Amino acid sequence: NAGVTQTPKFQVLKTGQSMTLQCAQDMNHNSMYWYRQDPGMGLRLIYYSASEGTTDKGEVPNGYNVSRLNKREFSLRLESAAPSQTSVYFCASSEPGLSQETQYFGPGTRLLVL
Amino acid sequence: GNSVTQMEGPVTLSEEAFLTINCTYTATGYPSLFWYVQYPGEGLQLLLKATKADDKGSNKGFEATYRKETTSFHLEKGSVQVSDSAVYFCALSDRTGGFKTIFGAGTRLFVKA
Repeated sequence: NAGVTQTPKFQVLKTGQSMTLQCAQDMNHNSMYWYRQDPGMGLRLIYYSASEGTTDKGEVPNGYNVSRLNKREFSLRLESAAPSQTSVYFCASSEPGLSQETQYFGPGTRLLVL
Repeated sequence: GNSVTQMEGPVTLSEEAFLTINCTYTATGYPSLFWYVQYPGEGLQLLLKATKADDKGSNKGFEATYRKETTSFHLEKGSVQVSDSAVYFCALSDRTGGFKTIFGAGTRLFVKA
């Protein structure tokens, strides 16, 4: 039981390049989330998917797109990376209505945009 | 809207000292409250939670009590260890917020031997 996995662990991009961050969970959770973590800012929600087939914007969606590929997988795409997107990205999952919404986090992807 | 405010860090303590990290919240409904911990280089993991007023969450020697009258959920530990060095996040989840979790900014704790 791996929980939530994320790939890659580290990535360096040049401004304007694109990339996709991958996330998968094996807990059969319906809800999945993408956050970014910046110093002094805590975690900010980028996008979330309440259930398979649905996605919604969070607090800071600009510059990102997401795909809920199936119940297990939720990817985050940067179409044209900017230095302001340098951050640590965390994927999380949860099961609404159970465990009072405890979230389970992946290990994170550290992204540097030059 | 919902929000969480926690004390700024870093907090530096000596081993065996008493720890308090303050957390207050604003919520329109009846939220569940959480403390998450992030060890260096890792993702967040649940430390403890409380789902209704006067509940006490506890785990690994840490405790927090859901105080509705003061809208607070302060984290305490009687005797910290070097291994407790981490970043601690207070958070809330509210049905009226679509069960999205709102996190505080985090408080970094350093424990010296």
